[in-house]
Amino acid sequence: GAVVSQHPSWVICKSGTSVKIECRSLDFQATTMFWYRQFPKQSLMLMATSNEGSKATYEQGVEKDKFLINHASLTLSTLTVTSAHPEDSSFYICSASTGFGLMNTEAFFGQGTRLTVV
Amino acid sequence: GNSVTQMEGPVTLSEEAFLTINCTYTATGYPSLFWYVQYPGEGLQLLLKATKADDKGSNKGFEATYRKETTSFHLEKGSVQVSDSAVYFCALSVRGYQKVTFGIGTKLQVIP
Repeated sequence: GAVVSQHPSWVICKSGTSVKIECRSLDFQATTMFWYRQFPKQSLMLMATSNEGSKATYEQGVEKDKFLINHASLTLSTLTVTSAHPEDSSFYICSASTGFGLMNTEAFFGQGTRLTVV
Repeated sequence: GNSVTQMEGPVTLSEEAFLTINCTYTATGYPSLFWYVQYPGEGLQLLLKATKADDKGSNKGFEATYRKETTSFHLEKGSVQVSDSAVYFCALSVRGYQKVTFGIGTKLQVIP
């Protein structure tokens, strides 16, 4: 299958700082990217969907001003956690697809980023 | 809303043992069901899927059957190997591969 690389794999930051997580599709053009997060002892939940060249669509309850998503090119999407707080500590994972929201186009996942805010 | 329930684990088995990881779901609409696997240090990979009732998904010796009457999609393998050690996620979507709802993930450890 296609390869999606996520960086960094883990990060520790101080409360109040911002953290950027990158998601790259290495061998295909990703027209759609998805960002998920998983809190301890909970399920992996979709945060937002972004199509290249347009604004991200956020799921209910996700603060768009706090979780900035930029889908700058067909191979790169970034998630920036702004003014991070300990409650933002979580596992974040991205996936990428070649379909513009097409249901039958498989999405490929990165390895995830473990964020710890201290 | 949509949700997926699976045991967290860890599940520890000896090599060649039989594996079952239970998964049940609730969904609005008619979902597609998936099992994803995450090996250490790697991304989630689609292991198998089923798109309608009574479909059986299979791959790498793993299989799961879409049971609408019991809203279940249990993962099974007859003889596990050490290389099967990973985290397994049950998931669903009412939009194909889009907007996937995941379970909590079950960590499987297979010992020689």
